[in-house]
Amino acid sequence: SSDLTQDPAVSVALGQTVRITCQGDSLRMYYASWYQQKAGQAPVLVIYGKNNRPSGIPDRLSGSTSGNTASLTITGAQAEDEADYYCNSRDSSGNHLFGAGTKVTVL
Amino acid sequence: EVQLVESGGGLVQPGGSLRLSCAASGFTFSSDWMHWVRQAPGKGLVWVSRINSDGSYTRYADSVKGRFTISRDNAKNTLYLQMNSLRAEDTAVYYCTRGIVGGDVIDYWGQGTLVTVSA
Repeated sequence: SSDLTQDPAVSVALGQTVRITCQGDSLRMYYASWYQQKAGQAPVLVIYGKNNRPSGIPDRLSGSTSGNTASLTITGAQAEDEADYYCNSRDSSGNHLFGAGTKVTVL
Repeated sequence: EVQLVESGGGLVQPGGSLRLSCAASGFTFSSDWMHWVRQAPGKGLVWVSRINSDGSYTRYADSVKGRFTISRDNAKNTLYLQMNSLRAEDTAVYYCTRGIVGGDVIDYWGQGTLVTVSA
């Protein structure tokens, strides 16, 4: 399959930990990138590669991969982490794929 | 500071054409891959196309292959997306983005330009 599958929505209590997953065959060969998108704004890269954070991204966001599953973990969720999160990777043909997105609600 | 500014969006009839532009600044445009990504209203992100640094390599999503053409002018620091035979399902905000790590990671995004295909 050339798709990336994400859960549509998750919720997390303030200060608790939540893991968002992304499944797809391409993830066995290529790392996922993760994007945070808040309402009315352009997406922002938060994690890429094995577990790299661009400048300015808090270290409570982390990434990992196992087999065909990539994960984004938010440790100690804050109100400002409430957003849609998308995974992305390339496939063997050189095209790119996005997951359908996971809406994270911080309670 | 990396800046990507899209233009050229608007209302077009089904079957019509539109050319999007993206003015890049704050980085060495001629050294980097570039991508177009779109997002229909209320929907998720969809990858559209990418191009390598000198324009010799391009890739397209199946949904736009044969209708859209990505290109770049490194002398003008500008990325383009020529869109022909437009359909209602092409209605979306189109984002210009930069690719790093051999083009495999999309890092910076523009603010997007809205394309509406409707009669």
